[in-house]
This record gives sequence, structure tokens and C-alpha cells, in this order.
Amino acid sequence: DGGITQSPKYLFRKEGQNVTLSCEQNLNHDAMYWYRQDPGQGLRLIYYSQIVNDFQKGDIAEGYSVSREKKESFPLTVTSAQKNPTAFYLCASSIVWTGGETQYFGPGTRLLVL
Amino acid sequence: AQSVTQLGSHVSVSEGALVLLRCNYSSSVPPYLFWYVQYPNQGLQLLLKYTSAATLVKGINGFEAEFKKSETSFHLTKPSAHMSDAAEYFCAVSDTGAGSYQLTFGKGTKLSVIP
Repeated sequence: DGGITQSPKYLFRKEGQNVTLSCEQNLNHDAMYWYRQDPGQGLRLIYYSQIVNDFQKGDIAEGYSVSREKKESFPLTVTSAQKNPTAFYLCASSIVWTGGETQYFGPGTRLLVL
Repeated sequence: AQSVTQLGSHVSVSEGALVLLRCNYSSSVPPYLFWYVQYPNQGLQLLLKYTSAATLVKGINGFEAEFKKSETSFHLTKPSAHMSDAAEYFCAVSDTGAGSYQLTFGKGTKLSVIP
């Protein structure tokens, strides 16, 4: 079955530590996205990528970094500069992005700070 | 800049009653509009979307929404609520203008269904 996988399901970060969230898709989609979800805040865009080796900052990119070396993979690193990383992180993809395409979401990773 | 307002962070309905979740948007150009559903600790699933074809859009699980340009609204309805409809619902908007690459989400409405 085609879809998006995210791992791990739960991730614990210590102070000063960088952690990487994995996102893989086998839908052959060009565009991929990372969102952060906080209770009562909806989803906010962190980074997006429309094609391999290219990505753009979203609304809340500070303290995060991404790479897009392969079409199917879009890992997100939460750096020590992100002072409030506790949230639910969602990865999504779409065939392309011109505004009207459906974004398909993974099951999410919950990041907690120790 | 585009934005979405969902009226009511929490809505409760009785099983079998009408479901109405409200969404108003602002956009400088004709928008694309989406409704997504999220069950606890899961990702989002598309219910339906409006992309400038018919103004009444039918989606999965018996949901539908009507695009009303004059009211800048895209409210989600279902004639008869089922227990399995209990979830959080998000309205989202994207501009059709060139160079706009962002899907903007509302803050969500949690739907509770009372037996």
C-alpha cells in the first residue's frame, strides 16, 4: 500500500540535543511538507519542498532544519535552538503543489522534552 | 494574506442530529478550500475540497460543504451524526495566485457525539 510513514512514533529530547524525525513516502509525490501541531493551534508549516534538493521555510522554521536528497524522504531535525519543541509533528506530501492538490498526511511523531 | 476562522473550538451534538461546523476564510484571490478530519494521535485525512467547480462539495462519510463567496464561508455539514464522527476537524485555505505555496489551517473544531 502506498502511503507516508513517520518514525519514531514518540521521541524524547534532552536539553541541548538535536533530534531527527523521519518521513518517507512511496506515493511518488514531488512535494513534501512538515507541520507542527500544538493543542488549540491548528497546524503550522515549518518547511516545505517542491522538488528534490530544494526546500523553503514556512511560518515557523526557526530552530528546525531539513534536507531533501531523495524524492521519497524529507527528514526534519529539531535543533537545540528550538526552545519549545514539545509538539506533535506531521509530515505530508502531494503530487505537486499549485494550491488545489490534496496533501496526504503521515501518522505523526510526538516529541517530548526530558 | 489568507486566513481561516473556525467558529467554536468544541461542538457537541446528539447521535442522529445535524452536524454543522463553521469555517470562514479570507483570501485576496479565489481560494481552494479543504476540510480534514483527525482522530486522536493520528494524521489528517481529507474529507472534501473545493477547487472552483461545483459550489456544493460532497465528501466521504456523508459530509458535504457549500462554498459561499458572498459570505466567505465553507461550512461543513452532515445530516445525521454517528458516534464514529467524533474527532477534530480542520478547515484549510490556499490561494490560487501564482507563487502562493502555503495551505493555511484553522485552529480546529472538536466534535463530540452524545449517545
